[in-house]
Amino acid sequence: SQKIEQNSEALNIQEGKTATLTCNYTNYSPAYLQWYRQDPGRGPVFLLLIRENEKEKRKERLKVTFDTTLKQSLFHITASQPADSATYLCALDRGAAGNKLTFGGGTRVLVKP
Amino acid sequence: DAGVIQSPRHEVTEMGQEVTLRCKPISGHNSLFWYRQTMMRGLELLIYFNNNVPIDDSGMPEDRFSAKMPNASFSTLKIQPSEPRDSAVYFCASTLDSSYNSPLHFGNGTRLTVT
Repeated sequence: SQKIEQNSEALNIQEGKTATLTCNYTNYSPAYLQWYRQDPGRGPVFLLLIRENEKEKRKERLKVTFDTTLKQSLFHITASQPADSATYLCALDRGAAGNKLTFGGGTRVLVKP
Repeated sequence: DAGVIQSPRHEVTEMGQEVTLRCKPISGHNSLFWYRQTMMRGLELLIYFNNNVPIDDSGMPEDRFSAKMPNASFSTLKIQPSEPRDSAVYFCASTLDSSYNSPLHFGNGTRLTVT
């Protein structure tokens, strides 16, 4: 069966360090992968998209990698700040027509000052 | 840009009652999605519309759930009759087009509690 796995344990990290989150998937052949941020009581907010033919994508302090052989994406927050504390969700397209995304369960990040 | 607007923000109802959730997508977006989020199952796609037409409702849990999009600026998700297991946060999202790489814009959700 299709599965998207993110580390369900919260990631506690010291301010200024790099947070690295993983997103593993099975039985998918996604054309692209997206990362979202979700704050308590709010809807997810889009951060980055990476396509299957891209190895790496950057946006400010964020970096995403996509390895279709390992079926894994890594999401890095460099020079982390307390304001980065949130839950981060990865999402894959279902490989069918239309923009139907399937989301992982999310990883909560807590950046301590 | 007002973003995706959902109402109500919170809904508490008794089992057996009808519940209607509302969504106004971002103007100009032609695809709309309804998701449900719970601790156990995460974020699940219920149904999506393209140009006001339901394209895929395979995620709708049962016949008690129905969704409509009478025009480009309004959609409803109805649960009749509601059950305690329907308690969740329901999100509406819209996107500019239905192509693969168009990011979703989510509303802030409706937290539904069925007692």
